Formats: sequence, structure tokens, C-alpha cells
Amino acid sequence: DVKVTQSSRYLVKRTGEKVFLECVQDMDHENMFWYRQDPGLGLRLIYFSYDVKMKEKGDIPEGYSVSREKKERFSLILESASTNQTSMYLCASSRGLDRSPLHFGNGTRLTVT
Amino acid sequence: AQTVTQSQPEMSVQEAETVTLSCTYDTSENNYYLFWYKQPPSRQMILVIRQEAYKQQNATENRFSVNFQKAAKSFSLKISDSQLGDTAMYFCAFMKGTGGGADGLTFGKGTHLIIQP
Repeated sequence: DVKVTQSSRYLVKRTGEKVFLECVQDMDHENMFWYRQDPGLGLRLIYFSYDVKMKEKGDIPEGYSVSREKKERFSLILESASTNQTSMYLCASSRGLDRSPLHFGNGTRLTVT
Repeated sequence: AQTVTQSQPEMSVQEAETVTLSCTYDTSENNYYLFWYKQPPSRQMILVIRQEAYKQQNATENRFSVNFQKAAKSFSLKISDSQLGDTAMYFCAFMKGTGGGADGLTFGKGTHLIIQP
């Protein structure tokens, strides 16, 4: 079974802090994704990556950056956290080339105070 | 760009009943994939069912089946003999058929399904 692991289940940070959300997958997947989930808005794509060191903006990239130095790890970075970034963050991965389903981590609930 | 619309924010049915969740989508693509994901209170997103747009036959997985109407751009999920464990948020999602899926899924806003004992 594919395992996608997010380093923290809950996180509380202060406004202005730099925040790192880490995600690791163990199935050698090419594609990795960061989504944000808010009530009534569903899941919205922040950034995605289809290969090491490659990254593409999703629908809501403002205020975020990402890093993919190794194939199995995809990090989401909030350079200066703000209260409107309080949300649930979901990482996912998928095999490339065959439109395989996404496999998700358990999510990180981030609160910015 | 694609859009996915789920018009039912919340639904509630009795255990053992059959329930249908609605999903419509808009796209100019001809080749694509559609998915239903389930998110129980544990927050783990679980794939329920997948449909390839080029297949006319509706996908089924045990008690879960879809009614895929390509011309109408409709993709509803039917849950038969509903169980308490089916209580969850259900998300409809779209994936383009090109690009290896690298740009991920476009999700609807979700339907909160509650199964009453």
C-alpha cells in the first residue's frame, strides 16, 4: 500500500513565522501535490511537482513556496505565516504517465495565531 | 480550466437506504477521468471509485456505483445499503487525460453525508 506521511497532524504557529510542512511518500511516485482544504471550498491546489526540483503553481500559490530536493519528499513553505493561512493542508502523490489516482496523507491542521 | 460542482452540501439518510450524490463538471477536454473520494472524520482521503471518460460502462465497486452521463457532464455516486461507516465528506474530482496526471485533480466542494442509525 502507498503511504504518504505528513510530519505533523496539528501545528500552531504565530503570525510572521516561517512554517515548513513536510510530506514523504514511499512508492517512488513522480507526482506530488499540496492542497488546502477549507469548509465550503473543497480542496484547492497550491503547488505540484512532477519531478525532482520541478515545481508548478496550482490555483492558489500566493503566500506559499515548495521544495522538492528528493523524489520522495515535498515540502510546503509559508514564508511569513498569516492568519488567513489557517487551514487543513493535504499532501498527495501519484504515479506519472498513467493518470493514476492520487494517494493522500492524513493532513496537517495548521492554526496561525 | 475545469470546474466541478456538487450541489448538495449535506445529505442525511437512514441506515440501509440508497443514496445518490450529485456531481456535474465543465470541461472542454474530451479525454479525462472522474473520481469520487471519501473523507471520514479521520481525515484520510480514500478513493471510492474511478471512471474513464472513454468508457461508456458505469464503474462499480461493491455497494458504490456511478451514473456517468458524458453528454450531460454528470457523474453521480450511488451508495446502496448504506452503512454507518459511510458517514463522511464525499468529493467529486476531475483529472485531465493528458499530461500524466501531473497537474492533479480538480475537486468539488464536497457533500457531507450522514447515515442515521
